[in-house]
Amino acid sequence: AQRVTQPEKLLSVFKGAPVELKCNYSYSGSPELFWYVQYSRQRLQLLLRHISRESIKGFTADLNKGETSFHLKKPFAQEEDSAMYYCALSGAGGYSTLTFGKGTMLLVSP
Amino acid sequence: DVKVTQSSRYLVKRTGEKVFLECVQDMDHENMFWYRQDPGLGLRLIYFSYDVKMKEKGDIPEGYSVSREKKERFSLILESASTNQTSMYLCASRATGLPNSPLHFGNGTRLTVT
Repeated sequence: AQRVTQPEKLLSVFKGAPVELKCNYSYSGSPELFWYVQYSRQRLQLLLRHISRESIKGFTADLNKGETSFHLKKPFAQEEDSAMYYCALSGAGGYSTLTFGKGTMLLVSP
Repeated sequence: DVKVTQSSRYLVKRTGEKVFLECVQDMDHENMFWYRQDPGLGLRLIYFSYDVKMKEKGDIPEGYSVSREKKERFSLILESASTNQTSMYLCASRATGLPNSPLHFGNGTRLTVT
């Protein structure tokens, strides 16, 4: 069975502070990992995926297979980063379903 | 750009009513999904479909059914709505055959059952 754990329900930081949203997973095969974001009153949207190794809006995430983690990081938080963030896992290939974590609300204060 | 459209943004229904939630996508995606989103519980998969007339149960299918008569449309049906089905319902689609293909979500339908 696949499982995603986001241990923090809420993360509150000040503008300019570093941010790390934690995500740990459990999966027996080769996982595909994603971070999704939902801003207030907007649809859930893809932020980034591990295969792309990209930085989106200053966020990065590295897949650590040894620690089964995919933490989301940003060196300097901005107020517009305030949102709900979900980590998600899928099996390899396009026929698997995505399993989501329970989400972490990030609040960035001025 | 993929567009996933859910027909209603808000719905209020009475206990025992039969409820239909409609979802349409315009990118010819094979896979479509219904999730419910609840505070503290995240997104939970209700049903999904790999192709027309095909359906698979997700993690919480009880009390729900689905219909996929056309590739672009995936309907969620609450046979007899109950108050514990008050929730935000999210429809999503996904292309198959592409590594790491993401889900594309609709805006959601907030259903209140009174």
